[in-house]
Amino acid sequence: DAKTTQPTSMDCAEGRAANLPCNHSTISGNEYVYWYRQIHSQGPQYIIHGLKNNETNEMASLIITEDRKSSTLILPHATLRDTAVYYCILLIQGAQKLVFGQGTRLTINP
Amino acid sequence: DSGVTQTPKHLITATGQRVTLRCSPRSGDLSVYWYQQSLDQGLQFLIQYYNGEERAKGNILERFSAQQFPDLHSELNLSSLELGDSALYFCASSVGPRDSYEQYFGPGTRLTVT
Repeated sequence: DAKTTQPTSMDCAEGRAANLPCNHSTISGNEYVYWYRQIHSQGPQYIIHGLKNNETNEMASLIITEDRKSSTLILPHATLRDTAVYYCILLIQGAQKLVFGQGTRLTINP
Repeated sequence: DSGVTQTPKHLITATGQRVTLRCSPRSGDLSVYWYQQSLDQGLQFLIQYYNGEERAKGNILERFSAQQFPDLHSELNLSSLELGDSALYFCASSVGPRDSYEQYFGPGTRLTVT
């Protein structure tokens, strides 16, 4: 699995958009970008994934650069419940396992 | 609530002992995955089962074993426990063997070895 690089921690004010970056400069053509999050000691939660195009669902938006070497997860209106560790993971579709890095610890401040 | 259940929630045991962790996947999911999360190693994939068969193996110790039963629930057996085995153990499930990216995680079992 290719390596991803994320900031160790970030802060965001409640109600503002939280933008979490992820660098994956060695991504290969058949690797998807996935985002999971883990709220303190709970099981990780799937957020969103994409290959080339930007994606949006009820939780977040995923923006992937044209060269696919980086991406940004956007939480449009962050709430206190979005405080969690966010993991950016590269995965070949059909791969058997998730490889979690250190992730970004996002703190939403009131 | 992901629909994945794990029991027990907490487990405290002594070194050298053996324990069994249990996982029930979401209704309709055939794949079960086990992960270990310790403070120094982060979240690590241990093993995957699909419809009763072992499908993929990660950094699972020889002292650990797992199985998936005909009713699709899975058990992770940890034996000859050491202090370093203290961790959160998560089970996840997905629809099939090729859908590993959308895994649904249970609440975990916190194992403390004293």
